[in-house]
Amino acid sequence: TQLLEQSPQFLSIQEGENLTVYCNSSSVFSSLQWYRQEPGEGPVLLVTVVTGGEVKKLKRLTFQFGDARKDSSLHITAAQPGDTGLYLCAGHWDTGRRALTFGSGTRLQVQP
Amino acid sequence: ETGVTQTPRHLVMGMTNKKSLKCEQHLGHNAMYWYKQSAKKPLELMFVYSLEERVENNSVPSRFSPECPNSSHLFLHLHTLQPEDSALYLCASSQDYKTSNQPQHFGDGTRLSIL
Repeated sequence: TQLLEQSPQFLSIQEGENLTVYCNSSSVFSSLQWYRQEPGEGPVLLVTVVTGGEVKKLKRLTFQFGDARKDSSLHITAAQPGDTGLYLCAGHWDTGRRALTFGSGTRLQVQP
Repeated sequence: ETGVTQTPRHLVMGMTNKKSLKCEQHLGHNAMYWYKQSAKKPLELMFVYSLEERVENNSVPSRFSPECPNSSHLFLHLHTLQPEDSALYLCASSQDYKTSNQPQHFGDGTRLSIL
């Protein structure tokens, strides 16, 4: 069974702080996606990364794909209360299974 | 985003009841998915349909029965559920099933509680 581990599981910070969350696997991803899920809603796609070492930015969010394509990180600069939510990584592995496998998520709370 | 709509949003049922969850997508996608989201557990993929054909069934108990009458609609029929089946059930769609980079578009889920 291929697993995606996310850390930390929970994070509570003050507005304006920076944070990084991580997504790790022992297997190589063919691609990896990050989603954010707000209370009472379904997950919404933030970004897809495909190439090892790739960095993508979405306003204050920076996504990095590891060189070996086994891990990824999400860095948020100057967090805002609107960033509160559950951050999920989801990957496709090189083994060819076509459906996404999701990590258990990082629940972020940003206090005003 | 209203591309994927799920009804009902909340459902409370007894263990002997029969009910159905409905999902409709307006995105012209060919693949549809059912997921179960429980507290402290990763999203669990239950079923995948591609062009109305079931292509994945991940060891889901037979008390859950999916139906995909066309590429825009997906149902999950429920009967004789157990308390541990209480969870958020999410429907998603993607353009196709075979391409690995496809984003999935989720509905807002049905919160199911089994008494």
